Amino acid sequence: EVQLVESGGGLVQPGGSLRLSCDASGFTFNRFWMNWVRQAPGKGLEWVASINQDGGENYYVDSVKGRFTISRDNAKKSLYLQMNSLRAEDTAVYYCAREFVDTSVITYFDSWGQGTLVTVSS
Amino acid sequence: SYVLTQPPSVSVAPGQTATITCGGNNIGIRSVHWYQQRPGQAPALVVYDDSDRPSGIPERVSGSNSGNTATLTISRVEAGDEADYYCQVWDSSSENWVFGGGTQLTVL
Repeated sequence: EVQLVESGGGLVQPGGSLRLSCDASGFTFNRFWMNWVRQAPGKGLEWVASINQDGGENYYVDSVKGRFTISRDNAKKSLYLQMNSLRAEDTAVYYCAREFVDTSVITYFDSWGQGTLVTVSS
Repeated sequence: SYVLTQPPSVSVAPGQTATITCGGNNIGIRSVHWYQQRPGQAPALVVYDDSDRPSGIPERVSGSNSGNTATLTISRVEAGDEADYYCQVWDSSSENWVFGGGTQLTVL
């Protein structure tokens, strides 16, 4: 059974930093792209970042470029999101999601963790 | 960047058919995925590549995509279908995944 378990959320002051982790089990972690998706309180889903299988390729939504860094440790089967210069608008539940490759051009998020809450407030 | 537009809410009586739309410029040439998010839960995939269903999703859930609109259709709606639904596409020009704003499905 595929399992994704996020951790590392909490309360942080504006301008502060936080590192989220997502521990994976039940599948061959190093074969999949992985993603972070966030959801502000009462709002919709927003994709944050993606990383390829070996960590050499990544993408970010514009609003976090230069502040957030996605990374992974395949030996530990873990995904990370280093968040710096946090702002109030970064307050959200952060989900990690596995990206399944159906064909070379069709991929989608087939498994999600339960999320970890990040609150940016003074 | 690419924008996906969904109605904020859809209401339907039990046993009826719910139709949730996802509008985007020429979305018909893209592969659209749909996610269901029940209250207090993580999102879950219900339709991928416009109209395919993951294992465990009933046949009364279907999808289509043409022109400027993708559609998620839920037939014979049940109380358990009450949730938020999100469409998603990959935008290669911005190298971003894009979600629609979400539609809250209410079962009357």
